Amino acid sequence: EVQLVQSGATLKKPGQSLKISCSGSGYEFESHWIAWVRQMPGKGLEWMGIVYPEDSDSRLSPSFQGQVSFSADKSIRTVYLQWHTLRTSDSAIYYCARLLGAGVQDYGAPFDIWGPGTVVTVSS
Amino acid sequence: QSVLTQPPSVSGAPGQRVTISCTGSPSNTGAGYDVHWYQQLPGKAPKLLIFAISHRPSGVPDRFSGSKSGTSASLAITGLQADDEADYYCQSYDNSLSGYVFGSGTTLTVL
Repeated sequence: EVQLVQSGATLKKPGQSLKISCSGSGYEFESHWIAWVRQMPGKGLEWMGIVYPEDSDSRLSPSFQGQVSFSADKSIRTVYLQWHTLRTSDSAIYYCARLLGAGVQDYGAPFDIWGPGTVVTVSS
Repeated sequence: QSVLTQPPSVSGAPGQRVTISCTGSPSNTGAGYDVHWYQQLPGKAPKLLIFAISHRPSGVPDRFSGSKSGTSASLAITGLQADDEADYYCQSYDNSLSGYVFGSGTTLTVL
């Protein structure tokens, strides 16, 4: 079964750092781009950026540049979303999602497999 | 502020047909990039519902269909059922933002 599994819910304080993970199974993990999508409480979906597990090549939405970073470890089939300094406004559900199609990033492709989401709560 | 505009809500009685619009611009839906639709049931992760304007992934009932004209796309749901109650999002790519974009989302209520 093709699936993405994400790390569990986490509670952090403002100013702390955080790294959440997304692991894939059932397909050639390193060859498919993985996107990160934010959903703030009661709000819609926001594309944060995308990372290629094979070489950690990544593209960030201008809205998130300087706020987060992506990384990957293809040996353990995992990509990461990291914050160095959390803010209360980072409280949200974060989904990882696979871009359909292997290899070159296809701008017209959909996100066909989604992880269950990681709930991040930042509160003092 | 989403670059793809959807109505905040739509509703219909069981068995009826509803449509959800997704209006973009020349830099996204009007630039030839495919439009996709996702269904997000309450408390769940989004699920791909329609891809490349009108194609259904395996397992999606043919009650769901998609279309596109110009810079606007539409999702139609026929034979409404109670478990269709969800949020629906369109998605495409925007070449001026150099990134993927989602619609503002539409909440479907089955009366």
